[in-house]
Amino acid sequence: QQQVKQSPQSLIVQKGGISIINCAYENTAFDYFPWYQQFPGKGPALLIAIRPDVSEKKEGRFTISFNKSAKQFSLHIMDSQPGDSATYFCAASIASDYKLSFGAGTTVTVRA
Amino acid sequence: DAGVTQSPTHLIKTRGQQVTLRCSPKSGHDTVSWYQQALGQGPQFIFQYYEEEERQRGNFPDRFSGHQFPNYSSELNVNALLLGDSALYLCASSPRGVGQYEQYFGPGTRLTVT
Repeated sequence: QQQVKQSPQSLIVQKGGISIINCAYENTAFDYFPWYQQFPGKGPALLIAIRPDVSEKKEGRFTISFNKSAKQFSLHIMDSQPGDSATYFCAASIASDYKLSFGAGTTVTVRA
Repeated sequence: DAGVTQSPTHLIKTRGQQVTLRCSPKSGHDTVSWYQQALGQGPQFIFQYYEEEERQRGNFPDRFSGHQFPNYSSELNVNALLLGDSALYLCASSPRGVGQYEQYFGPGTRLTVT
């Protein structure tokens, strides 16, 4: 049973556009929510992460929005570039557990 | 500063054989986790090693075992390989004290079981 549900499965965006990926969770004990970027043939790279006491975190063109009451969080990629074309995974973990629970992934394609 | 390294890059094995995968953590990291990533899916947690002990295990059978050495490097062993074990095996390392949070992944080992 997947603890983190991610959507959409794939999306296509024009260069300069905004990519939005959404994740939902059920376990209210989750207290760490990272996003990973994975290129074909590579391992996932930690992109940005947020804790539930913060509603938004921005790093460069990447922003996480967090809605604790709705148990949802999302990744926004602003001014999307062809180099952003990759698969993005949301994940979650809790202090008493040592595993990251991953979503199923979203493949983002940025058209030039 | 070298990141997480894994060897070998690719491996082809026959059903029923045994395989050993290796991982060296990022400098300064003492915790190693292993994940299995099937094609088109998110990584699934196998287990985590800290202070040379298995600290937590995911829903994987006993055919999957591991080891952590005093230099923090780690091995993943899989016995009696099944076709369904074909996947990308990822190693992730964490700094001291945050093993449940910050996990930095290596490039993975692609295992194909025929």
